[in-house]
Amino acid sequence: SQQGEEDPQALSIQEGENATMNCSYKTSINNLQWYRQNSGRGLVHLILIRSNEREKHSGRLRVTLDTSKKSSSLLITASRAADTASYFCALDTGRRALTFGSGTRLQVQP
Amino acid sequence: KAGVTQTPRYLIKTRGQQVTLSCSPISGHRSVSWYQQTPGQGLQFLFEYFSETQRNKGNFPGRFSGRQFSNSRSEMNVSTLELGDSALYLCASRPIGTGFNIQYFGAGTRLSVL
Repeated sequence: SQQGEEDPQALSIQEGENATMNCSYKTSINNLQWYRQNSGRGLVHLILIRSNEREKHSGRLRVTLDTSKKSSSLLITASRAADTASYFCALDTGRRALTFGSGTRLQVQP
Repeated sequence: KAGVTQTPRYLIKTRGQQVTLSCSPISGHRSVSWYQQTPGQGLQFLFEYFSETQRNKGNFPGRFSGRQFSNSRSEMNVSTLELGDSALYLCASRPIGTGFNIQYFGAGTRLSVL
């Protein structure tokens, strides 16, 4: 399957802690994106990393990409209760449709 | 700029009925995609429209169809509804020619089939 597989499926942490979620995939990609979804709402684009990049930062977000292992990780530093959401990786393989991972549900306890 | 607008937000239908969902993309965005999200299958791509033409299609039966109008607004239709069609239907738009396929999502239409 081209779809990304994410782990863990669910993650519960305390406010102030860091949250790490991982995405593994099986196909070649042009870029990999991360999206956030608050409960029952639409997805919001967070960050994009190109296939020739290894690491990217945006505010409290840090994304890494290892194309040899076909894996990516999203690190959220100093988590806040407002970060509670589901996080999805999305693969851009060059076809017009993104393929989304299974998602990680993050719960940040205040 | 206003975001992607989907109407209605919630819908309850019975098996066998048909339903039409509407999506207004961000102004200037000419591509509109539709996704189905369920707890079991996750986010699955339905189809993408650009310039009133279907450009890409996911693996869904012919009961699922869509169209796009000249102002880029899009509608999705599901005929002969089944219980398994209960899902959150998400519309996403993107500009063409920016180099990256970044999707801007609406809040979704929650469809319940009874």
